[in-house]
Amino acid sequence: GQSLEQPSEVTAVEGAIVQINCTYQTSGFYGLSWYQQHDGGAPTFLSYNALDGLEETGRFSSFLSRSDSYGYLLLQELQMKDSASYLCAVPLNNQGGKLIFGQGTELSVKP
Amino acid sequence: DAGVIQSPRHEVTEMGQEVTLRCKPISGHNSLFWYRQTMMRGLELLIYFNNNVPIDDSGMPEDRFSAKMPNASFSTLKIQPSEPRDSAVYFCASSSSRADTQYFGPGTRLTVL
Repeated sequence: GQSLEQPSEVTAVEGAIVQINCTYQTSGFYGLSWYQQHDGGAPTFLSYNALDGLEETGRFSSFLSRSDSYGYLLLQELQMKDSASYLCAVPLNNQGGKLIFGQGTELSVKP
Repeated sequence: DAGVIQSPRHEVTEMGQEVTLRCKPISGHNSLFWYRQTMMRGLELLIYFNNNVPIDDSGMPEDRFSAKMPNASFSTLKIQPSEPRDSAVYFCASSSSRADTQYFGPGTRLTVL
């Protein structure tokens, strides 16, 4: 079957760096995505990794290691507004379709 | 662009009633997805359409749930009859042909009493 594992919650202070991990088990692999969701609002796309390595977009970076079935989201210079749930997701095919989401990691940023 | 539009934003109904949720995807997107989110089960894909055709409905919980996409700019998710365990936030999302990015609507918070 397909599954994704991520920690349920992480706490960090403003200005710090935090890493949110995601491990996956899938029969085929087509990439790893990250979404941000504020308190019951719409999930919004953050990043996508299809190949190994680090992708940087401003304060957020995402890393993938296909050999370890593992990825992480790195948030730098944390701000209070970064408090949200972060979900990793994998597509089950390469045809723009079915995404399986992790349960989400609740990030709390403290002053 | 207005983004994905869903209506209603909130729905409170009684057990046994029919519920219809509506979605307008982003113009030009050819894939549409219906998700359900609960604390217990997280974000689950119910069904998705490609070019208005249902591709995978394996996530639809049972026959009480049905979804249609009569044209490229409109889709409905219907629950008949509704039950308290259907209470959840239902999201609609759309995407273009790329597999990596889905755009979510604001969701419909459904409460079945």
